[in-house]
Amino acid sequence: AQKITQTQPGMFVQEKEAVTLDCTYDTSDPSYGLFWYKQPSSGEMIFLIYQGSYDQQNATEGRYSLNFQKARKSANLVISASQLGDSAMYFCAMRPYLNGNQFYFGTGTSLTVIP
Amino acid sequence: EAGVAQSPRYKIIEKRQSVAFWCNPISGHATLYWYQQILGQGPKLLIQFQNNGVVDDSQLPKDRFSAERLKGVDSTLKIQPAKLEDSAVYLCASSLNPDGITDTQYFGPGTRLTVL
Repeated sequence: AQKITQTQPGMFVQEKEAVTLDCTYDTSDPSYGLFWYKQPSSGEMIFLIYQGSYDQQNATEGRYSLNFQKARKSANLVISASQLGDSAMYFCAMRPYLNGNQFYFGTGTSLTVIP
Repeated sequence: EAGVAQSPRYKIIEKRQSVAFWCNPISGHATLYWYQQILGQGPKLLIQFQNNGVVDDSQLPKDRFSAERLKGVDSTLKIQPAKLEDSAVYLCASSLNPDGITDTQYFGPGTRLTVL
């Protein structure tokens, strides 16, 4: 079975501070991709960052980095130097490569950046 | 490059009425997805098209939901008749190459449906 778990329903962070959003996953597929999306109140899902299961290094995209710990099956998103515009819902997703190519989403974490 | 387009952005209907949503994917993207996102939850896949063929519709309530992608480009999702529990945001996404492990889905702005 494929499963994504985000245990933090809501998080607060001070502007300019770093924040970590947790994500754990479960899959029997040896090859899979891990994704993070941001969903502002406008509703659109914005792709942030991708990590492949065989990637040796953690992915980074600007202020976003993914702390990938394969043995623990975790793929936490780190946002550095938080900005007010980072306030949104954040979803972790997994795509098992061999098992239907379907995306599995977590329940999301609501991030609020405090000025 | 234009993103995924969806219309309408908002729709309010009464239960038992019918409704249709439209999606135009990113140019060149062969795969198109429809998701249902209920408030407070992550998106749930309803149907996936590869060109104009259905790849996965296992979670589509086929007694009331239907979808088509006749020419392999834009797509329509229909609900007939609508129920109260269909109130949700309907997201359309597209991707270039679903056979590639790095393939990323890009989402449209969604249609927020309220069923009264």
